[in-house]
Amino acid sequence: DIQMTQSPASLSASLGETVSIECLASEGISNDLAWYQQKSGKSPQLLIYAASRLQDGVPSRFSGSGSGTRYSLKISGMQPEDEADYFCQQSYKYPYTFGAGTKLELK
Amino acid sequence: EVQLQQSGAELVKPGASVKLSCKTSGYTFSNYYMSWLKQMPGQNIEWIGNIYGGNGGTGYNQKFKGKATLTVDKSSSTAYMDLSSLTSEDSAVYFCARLSSYHVFDYWGQGVMVTVSS
Repeated sequence: DIQMTQSPASLSASLGETVSIECLASEGISNDLAWYQQKSGKSPQLLIYAASRLQDGVPSRFSGSGSGTRYSLKISGMQPEDEADYFCQQSYKYPYTFGAGTKLELK
Repeated sequence: EVQLQQSGAELVKPGASVKLSCKTSGYTFSNYYMSWLKQMPGQNIEWIGNIYGGNGGTGYNQKFKGKATLTVDKSSSTAYMDLSSLTSEDSAVYFCARLSSYHVFDYWGQGVMVTVSS
């Protein structure tokens, strides 16, 4: 199975701060990478797919980048509603696998 | 509006089975795969398997073969997951989620908590 190593495990950011979360795949995944946001007690919501494509309705402060084995999610200007857990997911090979998550809190 | 409505929380005894449902609306059920995923408290998300709404064709994560069985009822646009021989390791929140053409999960059900306890 492809292992997805996500970092950091947790971070706190001030209002308006730019935040980056990284995901490292155990092998190349050819941009088949998605990012999800999960708020407490809720189901995950798709933010980014194909490494850098913004899902409809997602604010433009969210962006994704990367290639090969390294990918990142950037939030340009932390907002209170961005406090959540974030997960990456690869769809390059079965079984689909997820990173362990990053807990983002507002400082 | 795409909606996935899951059945309610379950409390089941060890060794028993449980059947979870995911009723969909707002899109053509037979044109998409439905996925099921597991999330234990405070832990990672695991993909269990996919089922095609059109013909019921399935694909499973090897880890869940023998544990989960996916089925669909096209007439009611509903997907089901049977979990068998339940143990405490099966206590988790289970989600259904629609699989997009990019093999990502673009719409999710609200999740259902399954608790295995005597």
